[in-house]
Amino acid sequence: DIQMTQSPSSLPASLGERVTISCRASQGISNNLNWYQQKPDGTIKPLIYYTSNLQSGVPSRFSGSGSGTDYSLTISSLEPEDFAMYYCQQDASFPRTFGGGTKLELK
Amino acid sequence: EVQLVESGGGLVQPGRSLKLSCAASGFTFSNYYMAWVRQAPKKGLEWVATISTSGSRTYYPDSVKGRFTISRDNAKSSLYLQMNSLKSEDTATYYCARQGSYAHAYFDYWGQGVMVTVSS
Repeated sequence: DIQMTQSPSSLPASLGERVTISCRASQGISNNLNWYQQKPDGTIKPLIYYTSNLQSGVPSRFSGSGSGTDYSLTISSLEPEDFAMYYCQQDASFPRTFGGGTKLELK
Repeated sequence: EVQLVESGGGLVQPGRSLKLSCAASGFTFSNYYMAWVRQAPKKGLEWVATISTSGSRTYYPDSVKGRFTISRDNAKSSLYLQMNSLKSEDTATYYCARQGSYAHAYFDYWGQGVMVTVSS
């Protein structure tokens, strides 16, 4: 199984700040890496698929990059609605696996 | 508008069974792979099962293989998860999710989730 390790697990940040969340796979996943946002009410929505493709309707302040085993999600300028949980997920192979999550919280 | 609405959750004793349903609308259900993803209380997301468009292929992690069965009824635009021999560690919110495409197998739509509690 491919293990996904996210860091940090908690990220205090301020409005307008640029932040980056990292995700490392235990083996190469050929850019098959996706990012999701989960709000406190449990609502989950995709942000980025296949490393860097922005899901329709997602603001352009979100971006993704990476290759091989190392990937990242960047939010260029934090808005109030961005404070939430973020998960990476690989779909290179079964079983599909998620990172442990990053809680982005207001500093 | 794509909608996924789960139902069938509740409190169940260890060792018993429960069947979840997911009603899909707003898209041609038979054209998409579908999946279940769960989240234990205060924990992260865990993929539970995926099913192909026709239902002929199914995939599970070892944690549920042999106990859970994913199925679908394309005529009813419905997805199911039959859960047998339930354990306390199966306690979670279960989400129904649509797989975006075969080429990019991310989950592009999610339901609101349904809670399953396994306890005596």
